[in-house]
Amino acid sequence: TQLLEQSPQFLSIQEGENLTVYCNSSSVFSSLQWYRQEPGEGPVLLVTVVTGGEVKKLKRLTFQFGDARKDSSLHITAAQPGDTGLYLCAGANFGNEKLTFGTGTRLTIIP
Amino acid sequence: KAGVTQTPRYLIKTRGQQVTLSCSPISGHRSVSWYQQTPGQGLQFLFEYFSETQRNKGNFPGRFSGRQFSNSRSEMNVSTLELGDSALYLCASSQGRPNTGELFFGEGSRLTVL
Repeated sequence: TQLLEQSPQFLSIQEGENLTVYCNSSSVFSSLQWYRQEPGEGPVLLVTVVTGGEVKKLKRLTFQFGDARKDSSLHITAAQPGDTGLYLCAGANFGNEKLTFGTGTRLTIIP
Repeated sequence: KAGVTQTPRYLIKTRGQQVTLSCSPISGHRSVSWYQQTPGQGLQFLFEYFSETQRNKGNFPGRFSGRQFSNSRSEMNVSTLELGDSALYLCASSQGRPNTGELFFGEGSRLTVL
């Protein structure tokens, strides 16, 4: 069974600070996705990383896929209250139609 | 373009009853996946359908079943409800294969079992 552990589980920081969320597994994934979920809504895709070592930037968010394609990180610079939400990583493998979701990181940005 | 629509949004059932949840995917999307989300277990994969065929199934008991219609709309059914079935049930559609494309999630159906 493939597992994705996210850390930290909860994070509460002041507006303007930087933060990093980690997503780790002992399994290799062909691609990894990051989603953000807000209360009362379904998850929304932020990014997909496919190549080991790949770095993608989305405004103040930087996503990195580990060289061995077993882990990933999400770094947010100058966090804003609008970044508040549940961040989920999800791993995928070719030939398997399901995504394995991480345990989630609940982020709260305090104004 | 309309998003993924799930009905009902909220429902309350008692133990032993059965429930049917509905999902209408984004127009043109042929793949529909179902997930169960709980605070303790997170998002757990239930099953995925493509062109009316179940392509993959998660590790849930046989009480959980689903189907997909020719118009890509999907339903899932849970029979003999247990307290532990209380959860947010999320449906997601994708244009291509879920493991390489983007999943578009609905807002979910929140089931409470008393």
